[in-house]
Amino acid sequence: DVKVTQSSRYLVKRTGEKVFLECVQDMDHENMFWYRQDPGLGLRLIYFSYDVKMKEKGDIPEGYSVSREKKERFSLILESASTNQTSMYLCASRPGTVGFYGYTFGSGTRLTVV
Amino acid sequence: AQSVSQHNHHVILSEAASLELGCNYSYGGTVNLFWYVQYPGQHLQLLLKYFSGDPLVKGIKGFEAEFIKSKFSFNLRKPSVQWSDTAEYFCAVSATSGTYKYIFGTGTRLKVLA
Repeated sequence: DVKVTQSSRYLVKRTGEKVFLECVQDMDHENMFWYRQDPGLGLRLIYFSYDVKMKEKGDIPEGYSVSREKKERFSLILESASTNQTSMYLCASRPGTVGFYGYTFGSGTRLTVV
Repeated sequence: AQSVSQHNHHVILSEAASLELGCNYSYGGTVNLFWYVQYPGQHLQLLLKYFSGDPLVKGIKGFEAEFIKSKFSFNLRKPSVQWSDTAEYFCAVSATSGTYKYIFGTGTRLKVLA
């Protein structure tokens, strides 16, 4: 089975800190995604990457950046954490660039910004 | 713009009741459709998907969904729910070409009473 591993399950950070969320997948998937999940809002796409060093903005990229230096790793960076970035962050990967492949999700990182 | 609507935000059923969760999408082209499930404390898992052929799709754990193109719908059904089906269910849509991302609905929380 494909595994998508997110480095932290729970994280508490202070306002203004630079925060790194790490995601690693072990099945050579080309596509990787970062979503945030909020009650009543579902999953909203922050950034995605369809190959190493490639990235595209999703629907809510403001306040975030990403890095993909290696195929298996996709990092989400909160440049200066704010309380409205308190959320569950989900990483996902997918093998190809066509739409019928399902995502494999990580377990999520619950980030609290105080 | 693509969008996905899940009109039922919270559903409470007794065991053995039948389930139907609504999903409608807005998109001008050919789509792939998905249902994901998130059990309490667990990561999102693919329940079933449609990309072509028979519009009635069967998934894991006795779930099925029917794609009705004329209604832009992809409703999830199960004839008899169990307590273990308590979870949050997300519908998602992607284009069949040219894009790399899914659009998710806001989710439906299902609670099954024993």
